[in-house]
Amino acid sequence: DAGVIQSPRHEVTEMGQEVTLRCKPISGHNSLFWYRQTMMRGLELLIYFNNNVPIDDSGMPEDRFSAKMPNASFSTLKIQPSEPRDSAVYFCASGLGETQYFGPGTRLLVL
Amino acid sequence: GENVEQHPSTLSVQEGDSAVIKCTYSDSASNYFPWYKQELGKRPQLIIDIRSNVGEKKDQRIAVTLNKTAKHFSLHITETQPEDSAVYFCAASRPGDYKLSFGAGTTVTVRA
Repeated sequence: DAGVIQSPRHEVTEMGQEVTLRCKPISGHNSLFWYRQTMMRGLELLIYFNNNVPIDDSGMPEDRFSAKMPNASFSTLKIQPSEPRDSAVYFCASGLGETQYFGPGTRLLVL
Repeated sequence: GENVEQHPSTLSVQEGDSAVIKCTYSDSASNYFPWYKQELGKRPQLIIDIRSNVGEKKDQRIAVTLNKTAKHFSLHITETQPEDSAVYFCAASRPGDYKLSFGAGTTVTVRA
């Protein structure tokens, strides 16, 4: 049974570049979450979708961040333009009811 | 919104001893309380959860207790082993709200 799949696993980019993170949730799950984790701020919820519809994006830092879920099996988180302070591990989590399962994360470094 | 506080922030125990982590929550309507374990460089993994209609739940060496009146819940790890060393996060959510409010995490170190 495949878990949550994220790509890429590691990304190094230069300031000002566009970054796109991808997530494939667990089949049959109806909610999807994007988190950011840093040492300073811990685990932060950026946005979550239920049945492909964005429900709460209050955690999205600013307009440079956007997320989409065009269908039940795919979501993207885009940062444009990227900044060094965006460096973090970005996790996607898939949920059925209240229970959430995390993907392996994308480690992003913006130089 | 829900606010979850977690204590202690770090915990060092001798192998074989027990470890206890406590979380408090602010919203009395919260009814779902999961615990996640995150090893270094890995993803948070759900290890146990409890719902508000249950006071205690056990799974081998780990157990969670819930006190709804006091609005706190605790994770108990017995007979700790080196592989229990990790960061543990508690969380809470309200009925119908899929969002989890996470505690700040507890770094547990099991000394051999």
